[in-house]
Amino acid sequence: GNSVTQMEGPVTLSEEAFLTINCTYTATGYPSLFWYVQYPGEGLQLLLKATKADDKGSNKGFEATYRKETTSFHLEKGSVQVSDSAVYFCALSEVERGYQKVTFGTGTKLQVIP
Amino acid sequence: GAVVSQHPSRVICKSGTSVKIECRSLDFQATTMFWYRQFPKQSLMLMATSNEGSKATYEQGVEKDKFLINHASLTLSTLTVTSAHPEDSSFYICSARGLAGGIDTQYFGPGTRLTVL
Repeated sequence: GNSVTQMEGPVTLSEEAFLTINCTYTATGYPSLFWYVQYPGEGLQLLLKATKADDKGSNKGFEATYRKETTSFHLEKGSVQVSDSAVYFCALSEVERGYQKVTFGTGTKLQVIP
Repeated sequence: GAVVSQHPSRVICKSGTSVKIECRSLDFQATTMFWYRQFPKQSLMLMATSNEGSKATYEQGVEKDKFLINHASLTLSTLTVTSAHPEDSSFYICSARGLAGGIDTQYFGPGTRLTVL
């Protein structure tokens, strides 16, 4: 079956530091890839997505590139802010039994300190 | 933009009682709704998928008689945890998929924190 593996947290960074959260996946076909963010006490919000190989998703300064050759979708941001503190989930979506099924990674908690 | 709401946001109940959680899609019709369960410090686990007007499809290991799902309309799905026990305490998140602004995507609700005493 499909699976998503992402680096364990928590990740603690100083404000304006560079962020990388690694994510790799296994899938039977050609999935779409996503990063979701969950702020404390809230549900998930879509951060960015990429639907095919070499696509780059970007939003709010975050970006990730769909790398089919390495089955990866690493999340990066050049300069993090305190407000970026949240849990980040990597996910893939593929049609299974006639509908889109989303498989999530375990989440990586990011804490940005001033 | 598209919004998915859940009610209640938090619920505390006694062991043995049943709890109903509502999930509504606002501003769009959800052809499919998903229910997830999130354990502390863990990922979201898909429990079941439901299409409007038909029976839900449950993931392996999820008891369909314990977690009753009803998808009565294109904007409403409910999850009922029957005879709840402390091990059912968790964060339940629904998701709705449909066309919002012409784009087919999946939106997540804010979640419901269930605590069973």
